[in-house]
Amino acid sequence: QKEVEQDPGPLSVPEGAIVSLNCTYSNSAFQYFMWYRQYSRKGPELLMYTYSSGNKEDGRFTAQVDKSSKYISLFIRDSQPSDSATYLCAMGAPGANSKLTFGKGITLSVRP
Amino acid sequence: DTAVSQTPKYLVTQMGNDKSIKCEQNLGHDTMYWYKQDSKKFLKIMFSYNNKELIINETVPNRFSPKSPDKAHLNLHINSLELGDSAVYFCASSPGPGVGPQHFGDGTRLSIL
Repeated sequence: QKEVEQDPGPLSVPEGAIVSLNCTYSNSAFQYFMWYRQYSRKGPELLMYTYSSGNKEDGRFTAQVDKSSKYISLFIRDSQPSDSATYLCAMGAPGANSKLTFGKGITLSVRP
Repeated sequence: DTAVSQTPKYLVTQMGNDKSIKCEQNLGHDTMYWYKQDSKKFLKIMFSYNNKELIINETVPNRFSPKSPDKAHLNLHINSLELGDSAVYFCASSPGPGVGPQHFGDGTRLSIL
């Protein structure tokens, strides 16, 4: 089993739809969780960062972490064509030699 | 003002050549990273430096040699380039090792002819 599994996609939705992106993980040492958005020919841009189970909201974006199920989600409300990008989940454990483990990414296309 | 900047953005070169990529961050972070992103968009860490000291060295051919002259700069030198080195290389930084989220540059697109 891979450490981080992300829904493979691609995903195409109409403008205004609610989008749900998901990742599961196997390493119970992971304590902090991130979602990155990557536009074509750009670097990953941090969208959400959370250190605990529960929900975190920022505008149209909500990140959800369920440590007991080892499952994280990103919800996008009222999706816009500008949300079309690749979304990567990432997670890490505390420690000096800690490194982030990324999901493979899912490409989202929002149709006008 | 760009937080993490890499140069060059594009690098096209012949097999067997040696090339360098430079990275600078102005976030005041202590830790910097090099990642490789393959054609399938998978991001894999290569190296990490904390305050100029190497702390993560993944299984990377020794043709790749990172160097951190100070905590705001991290360079990557690649000797004897091979076709399989074609990828996008990203630099990132974070407040500390395993502390806080990582912030990425826009990448260097390396193409080997």
